[in-house]
Amino acid sequence: QVQLVESGGGVVQPGRSLRLSCAASGFTFSRYSMHWVRQAPGKGLEWVTIISFDGSNKYYADSVKGRFTISRDNSENTLYLQMNSLRAEDTAVYYCARELVSTIFGVVSRDAFDIWGQGTTVTVSS
Amino acid sequence: DIQMTQSPSAMSASVGDRVTITCRASQGISNYLVWFQQKPGKVPRRLTYAASSLQSGVPSRFSGSGSGTEFTLTISSLQPEDFATYYCLQQNSYPWTFGQGTKVEIK
Repeated sequence: QVQLVESGGGVVQPGRSLRLSCAASGFTFSRYSMHWVRQAPGKGLEWVTIISFDGSNKYYADSVKGRFTISRDNSENTLYLQMNSLRAEDTAVYYCARELVSTIFGVVSRDAFDIWGQGTTVTVSS
Repeated sequence: DIQMTQSPSAMSASVGDRVTITCRASQGISNYLVWFQQKPGKVPRRLTYAASSLQSGVPSRFSGSGSGTEFTLTISSLQPEDFATYYCLQQNSYPWTFGQGTKVEIK
């Protein structure tokens, strides 16, 4: 079945690094753009970053720009999020989610976030 | 960045009520708008996409509408399983932005 499974979360001290992974199965991973979304405890959803299907384009939220790096390995069907210089405000559940982009007669269609992972928890605390 | 303003932030409603949640974009986003439902401790669930297309498997009592800057999610007859928090998301331009959420509680 179509599935995304995150891993790599944990407790880390401020200023340290952590790498999250998202393993995809049940669909053609290399056709999909992939996103990370996070949710701080008791708060709303926050979009974090996206990588295009082939890894050529990446965008980041201002809150993580310069500290987080998204990457992917299409041969391993895996998405990554390298998080450096972590802060207390990065504490959250991190979800990966997929997006299929298509263009029909010049109009971009975005079929995004139909499938999410179960989330992995990152806690930044001393 | 595009700001998404949801209203109300919270509401109380009864089973059978018609519920409408609004999302306003700070600039035009065409129909690049998605609605999600999230229950406590659970993964968000997509309800609609492209502003008005219903996700497969989602009950027909849910509907989305709007274009440009104003969008609505309507639940035609609220059911017990619909008590949850609802979020909109704009996909028109990066960074994508979510609304702050609308918590629908039991009256």
